[in-house]
Amino acid sequence: NAGVMQNPRHLVRRRGQEARLRCSPMKGHSHVYWYRQLPEEGLKFMVYLQKENIIDESGMPKERFSAEFPKEGPSILRIQQVVRGDSAAYFCASSPSWEGTIYFGEGSWLTVV
Amino acid sequence: EDKVVQSPLSLVVHEGDTVTLNCSYEVTNFRSLLWYKQEKKAPTFLFMLTSSGIEKKSGRLSSILDKKELFSILNITATQTGDSAVYLCAVESKAAGNKLTFGGGTRVLVKP
Repeated sequence: NAGVMQNPRHLVRRRGQEARLRCSPMKGHSHVYWYRQLPEEGLKFMVYLQKENIIDESGMPKERFSAEFPKEGPSILRIQQVVRGDSAAYFCASSPSWEGTIYFGEGSWLTVV
Repeated sequence: EDKVVQSPLSLVVHEGDTVTLNCSYEVTNFRSLLWYKQEKKAPTFLFMLTSSGIEKKSGRLSSILDKKELFSILNITATQTGDSAVYLCAVESKAAGNKLTFGGGTRVLVKP
C-alpha cells in the first residue's frame, strides 16, 4: 500500500513563473491537506480538501495560491507568479476520514530563484 | 486562534544523555496532541495523546499530556546520534476536522 505520493520532490522556478505541486493520497483516503514549512519554522496549515470540495482554506494566502482535488487524479497546489518568499517545503497529508489518522507525504521542496 | 509553543528551540547533548522537550498549547475544543520527528523529510508520527496523565511509551521515547495545565513533554532516554532531528508538537481541534496546528519545533543534536 503506497503512502502519500508527492511530486515533484524538488522544483526550481524563476520569479514570476508558476509552480504546480501534485499529491496522490493513500489508497482509500479521500481527505487531503496541504501544509507549508518555511525554512527553520514549523508546518503551517494551508488547505483541507475532499474530492471536488475545499473544506477549509483558512491558511491559504489570499492571492496567487489555489488548490484543487478533482474527482479523478491527484490534488494540485498551484502557485502563480512565484516570489522568493514562496520558497519552502510543501507537505501533503491524507486521511481516510475527517477523524482518521493523518499520513504525510515526503514533501515537495520549492526553490524560487 | 489555536497556538502551540515548543521549548527549548534547540539543544545539544551527548550520547547517553536524557532530553526533555516541552510543548504548551491553547486550542479550542481539544481533541488530541501529536508528536512527530522530522529529519529533513516528512514528519514521522511518534505519539498521539488524548488523555491526561497516561504515559505513552515507545522504546526510549515517552510522552505524557497534562490537559489541565495544557502541556505535554516528550522524553528521550539514552540518546543516540540517530535521535538528532527536529521534534514537532501539534494539536488537533474537534472543531477543525483533521487540521493540525504545529509548534515551531525543537532541534535536537546528539553528539557522539
